Amino acid sequence: GAVVSQHPSWVICKSGTSVKIECRSLDFQATTMFWYRQFPKQSLMLMATSNEGSKATYEQGVEKDKFLINHASLTLSTLTVTSAHPEDSSFYICSARRRSTDTQYFGPGTRLTVL
Amino acid sequence: GQSLEQPSEVTAVEGAIVQINCTYQTSGFYGLSWYQQHDGGAPTFLSYNALDGLEETGRFSSFLSRSDSYGYLLLQELQMKDSASYFCAVRDNYGQNFVFGPGTRLSVLP
Repeated sequence: GAVVSQHPSWVICKSGTSVKIECRSLDFQATTMFWYRQFPKQSLMLMATSNEGSKATYEQGVEKDKFLINHASLTLSTLTVTSAHPEDSSFYICSARRRSTDTQYFGPGTRLTVL
Repeated sequence: GQSLEQPSEVTAVEGAIVQINCTYQTSGFYGLSWYQQHDGGAPTFLSYNALDGLEETGRFSSFLSRSDSYGYLLLQELQMKDSASYFCAVRDNYGQNFVFGPGTRLSVLP
């Protein structure tokens, strides 16, 4: 068990458009979901933490108006990159934490390329 | 604030044993986790230590010493498929989110 899916797995878009990425926990309820960004050969950088039914908590330096996060249910969180620019090109990874555990399960990631 | 340190690269041959160290400085501590990430893929969970001591899972073991703010991941009987980046991660003071170390790139040679 503990499978997390992400959709899409990759996306190419034009500068100025918005992109929505979905993260789903398929076989468990995720009380908390996390969104990370990872640049090539670097570590994962936490962007925001979201709990179901409440507003996301953004890390310092992450623009909440640019990276919109919605955690509508215990199995779904979405990240929308608004007015994307080339510098937003990165590997975006979500993870979900099972209720009452310390383990995060990661989605397969979404590679965003902004032209 | 929090910070974690790991060696940036480790190289070993097939069949060998490798230890990847992780030291951390945190305002609170709720456990040390290890993740493996192959190029182009997402991290996969390997192990978690909340208490001092050694946790063994097959060829992989993880150790924690809270008094030393130190842990390590031990990989035995290395295989080529073990070539990947390995990240340690700690939960923050509020137990909500994880902070990841810079990662250690392991290269296994034939």
